[in-house]
Amino acid sequence: GAVVSQHPSWVICKSGTSVKIECRSLDFQATTMFWYRQFPKQSLMLMATSNEGSKATYEQGVEKDKFLINHASLTLSTLTVTSAHPEDSSFYICSAGGPSLYEQYFGPGTRLTVT
Amino acid sequence: KNQVEQSPQSLIILEGKNCTLQCNYTVSPFSNLRWYKQDTGRGPVSLTIMTFSENTKSNGRYTATLDADTKQSSLHITASQLSDSASYICVVTRSNDYKLSFGAGTTVTVRA
Repeated sequence: GAVVSQHPSWVICKSGTSVKIECRSLDFQATTMFWYRQFPKQSLMLMATSNEGSKATYEQGVEKDKFLINHASLTLSTLTVTSAHPEDSSFYICSAGGPSLYEQYFGPGTRLTVT
Repeated sequence: KNQVEQSPQSLIILEGKNCTLQCNYTVSPFSNLRWYKQDTGRGPVSLTIMTFSENTKSNGRYTATLDADTKQSSLHITASQLSDSASYICVVTRSNDYKLSFGAGTTVTVRA
């Protein structure tokens, strides 16, 4: 149980375009989902916390107009990188909060490359 | 300064040997500590989770220990296999806001 999927697993896009990444909890309902980014050889950095049906809470330094997060249902959250630039190239990982908020289940990640 | 420090940054071991990874934290208030294994290009997978009252937790060849008084944890890998090559991340959860604090990870390379 507690499986989280992400789609796509990797994506290449041109600079200036937008990319949407989906995060789904497959076998449980997640009131809260989290979005992280990870640069090579670095640890995960929390970008934002999203609660179903409400606006996401962004961490300091994360542009909310650039990284649009939607959490419209208890099993799906999306991250849209708008007007992507090469510096947005990174590994994006979502996690879903389990029945206890002390648990988080991570997705397999999405590799974004902006050319 | 990161509230979760891991050591060593990386290590190389021969297949079949044991190794121990260290994690020191200053996160407070403390809820739980987890060890994750992250293969290259994949998301983290949970190995163990320990709360304040737990001193040790095993998952197959992985054994984690926790000393909540000294705020130290270790992950011991027994009889390493080539598939153990990965990054091992120590993560501490705060009890007041559920936020996760990540260590930078230890990269383990197992060689035949």
